[in-house]
Order: sequence, then C-alpha cells, then structure tokens
Amino acid sequence: EVQLVESGGGLVQPGRSLRLSCAASGFTFDDYAMHWVRQAPGKGLEWVSGISWNSGSIDYADSVKGRFTISRDNAKNSLYLQMNSLRAEDTALYYCAKDVGGSCSVVDYWGQGTLVTVSS
Amino acid sequence: SSELTQDPAVSVALGQTVRITCQGDSLRSYFASWYQQKPGQAPVLVISGKNNRPSGIPDRFSGSSSGNTASLTITGTQAEDEADYYCNSRDSSGNPRVFGGGTKLTVL
Repeated sequence: EVQLVESGGGLVQPGRSLRLSCAASGFTFDDYAMHWVRQAPGKGLEWVSGISWNSGSIDYADSVKGRFTISRDNAKNSLYLQMNSLRAEDTALYYCAKDVGGSCSVVDYWGQGTLVTVSS
Repeated sequence: SSELTQDPAVSVALGQTVRITCQGDSLRSYFASWYQQKPGQAPVLVISGKNNRPSGIPDRFSGSSSGNTASLTITGTQAEDEADYYCNSRDSSGNPRVFGGGTKLTVL
C-alpha cells in the first residue's frame, strides 16, 4: 500500500523559512517522480513543484520559483521542500504526491498533507 | 492559455447520471486527470488518461474528451459521490501544472 507521510509544517513568520519532508513507503520510491501540491484554506488545488525519479528534471510553479527548492533522497525514500522567504499567500495544506511514472506527468497518490501557516 | 475552467457547482438526483466538464487549451494536447476530494480528506485519483480507472474506483466513473473539453461522467450517482471534483492537465513542460477550480457535486 502506498503511504506518503508529510511533516514539518507549522506557524512561521513572513520572510522566514520552513522545510517540509515526506516519507514514502509501499512502492519503489526511486522509480517514480514526486510532487508537492498545496491547497489554501477553502480553496482549490495548486501544483507547487515536481521532481523526476533521478532529480534530473525539476520544475516549479511561477508563484514559488526562486523561493522554494524541491529535492529527494532516494536512499531514504524521502521528498523535501525547502521554503524560503515565506509569504502570507503561501499559507496552505501542502500535499506530497506520487507520479504514475519516472517523469513528471500525472499524480496518482496523495499524502494527508501538512499545514503551513505564514503569519506574524 | 494554462487555465482549466470548471463549473463551481453541479447537483444530481440520487441514482441519476451527471457530467462534470473541464475546459482549457491544454486539453487539446493532454488528457485530463480527475480527482475526487471529500471534506477533510486528501484528493483521490478517479480517472486518468483516455479513460483509466485506478483499482478500487467504481465503474460508474468514466472520462471522455473532445477538443478543448474533458468530461467526468458518473452513472447511477451514489450519495457517497458527493464531493469536490478537480480536473488536472499537463502543460507544455510535461508537468501536471494546471488544475481546474473544482466542481462541488451535490447529490439530492
């Protein structure tokens, strides 16, 4: 059974940093691309970033480009999102998500999310 | 354009058929994926590709596409199908970058 467990969320002041982690299990992690998708309270889904199986292809939404960095450690079956210069509009539930293949294409499994609140 | 447009809300009588649509230029090049999200839960993939249902998704869910419009059809809608439904498409970079705004389905 695919399991994705996010951690690292919390309350942070504007301009500060936060690092999210996602522990994956139940599948061969290094065969699949991974993503971060967020959902602001009461709002829709927004793709944030994706990374291919070998970290060779990485991309970001325009709204986070230059501030967020996605990475993965295949030896630890883990996905990360380093978030710098956080803004109030980054407040959201952040989901770790698995792709159907090794290159970024379609999300098939989602974690339960970790909540990030940016507020002074 | 990198946007996908969905009707904000749709209602259907119990046991009837409902179609939820999604429009956008990217759908001329890529199939839509459809996600079901119930309150307080993570999204669940219900349809991907031309009309592929993941294991465990009832066969009353089906997908179709024509031109710039993708559709999710639920045949014989059940009470447990009441949820928000989001369409998603890849963009020219190949990433699943574009989500629709979501459709709230109410089962009457």
